[in-house]
Order: sequence, then C-alpha cells, then structure tokens
Amino acid sequence: QVQLVQSGAEVKKPGASVKVSCKASGYTFIDHGITWVRQAPGQGLEWMGWINTYNDDTNYAQKVQGRVTMTTDTSTSTAYMELRSLKSDDSAVYYCARRHYDSSGLLRGYDSWGQGTLVTVSS
Amino acid sequence: DIVMTQSPDSLAVSLGERATIDCKSSRSILYNSNNMNYLAWFQQKPGQPPKLLIYWASTRESGVPDRFSGSGSETDFTLTISSLQAEDVAVYYCQQYYNTPPTFGQGTKLEIK
Repeated sequence: QVQLVQSGAEVKKPGASVKVSCKASGYTFIDHGITWVRQAPGQGLEWMGWINTYNDDTNYAQKVQGRVTMTTDTSTSTAYMELRSLKSDDSAVYYCARRHYDSSGLLRGYDSWGQGTLVTVSS
Repeated sequence: DIVMTQSPDSLAVSLGERATIDCKSSRSILYNSNNMNYLAWFQQKPGQPPKLLIYWASTRESGVPDRFSGSGSETDFTLTISSLQAEDVAVYYCQQYYNTPPTFGQGTKLEIK
C-alpha cells in the first residue's frame, strides 16, 4: 500500500534551518508529485509548494518563496523540504502528501499523507 | 488566489442524522476542457493527517463509506454525511486544486449533538 513516512520532530532556534524528509513506498515514486502542507497549532491547512518527482520542477508558495527548497532523491524514493531563516510563526506540523494522477494524467488530488513532522521554533 | 469559504464554522448533529457542509470558491473551479471541478474534501481527526474523502467534487475516494457524498459545480459545493456516525467527529476541509496556489477552506468542526 502507498505509504509516506516522515522524519521526526525538530526543535530549532529562530534563524536556523530545518530539513524534513518524506520517504515514499508502495508506488512508483516518479509517477506522482509530492506536495508539502503545514498546519500551525489549532489552525488550518497551508500549502507550501510541490515538487515534480519526475523532473524536479518546483512551485513554491509566495509566503515562503526564497526560504524553502524542495528536493528529491529518487534512488531512495525520498522527498525533502528545507526551510531556512526560521521564525516563530513557522512552528507547525509539516505534512508531505502525494499528488495523485490517474492513468489519463488527470490530477485527482492529494490522496496519501505522511504522519506529519512537528517543527518548533523557539529561542 | 482563489478564496475558499466554508459554512458553518462548526456544526452539531445527532447520531444517524444528516450533516451538510458548504464550500464556496471565489471563482469557478470548473475545468471546461474536461468538465471536472477541481474540488476535494478532507477529514481530519485530532493528531492525524488529513484524509482525502472526495475528489473532483463528487468522486468518493476508495475505501470511504458511501454515507459521504459531494456535490456542486463551479463555485458552490456541498459535503453531505447521510447518517452521522460517532467516528465522523472531525474537522472537514474543502480544497481547490484548479490552480496554483491550491487553497483550503478554513475548516468546519463537526460534533455530535
């Protein structure tokens, strides 16, 4: 079955960087993109960006543009999200999710999610 | 950006009764080339990631009980739970993925009355 397993919780100081991993299994990694979504405590869902796992094209949310980098390692079917210059309002649970395309190439949506990685930014 | 607005913000329904959540987009999310509405519904329980329930506005994801259904087109959408079960207590989000950035509604908290 499709599974996304993320790295563990992180505590960082303001100004530091964090890199979260998302290891995929149960499907062909390069057939579906990976998107990253975060959720601040008690808040809603915020899209951060996505990476095309076939050609590494990326598209980032304006709010984090310039501070975020999404990459992949196809040899291990792992996606990474690095966020730099961390601020207190970056404290959130970070999720990776699969962008699922059907056999016709139509985007069906985000059908499988990682368990989430809590990132706490605190001095 | 397309703004997604859900109503109500919270909802209390008796077990076995119908629950209805509305979602309105600030512009049409109907792709004319394939007649698909790029609208998804998610369920999120405390401490868990979101779970995809419905995509293309009305297509139920595999394994989702048939008491969940989605309807609507262009700018107005509805998630209906036909007979509320205790395990349906959660926050529900709609999301448009018609264009970038994909955007979510603010969420609707569903509780048992």
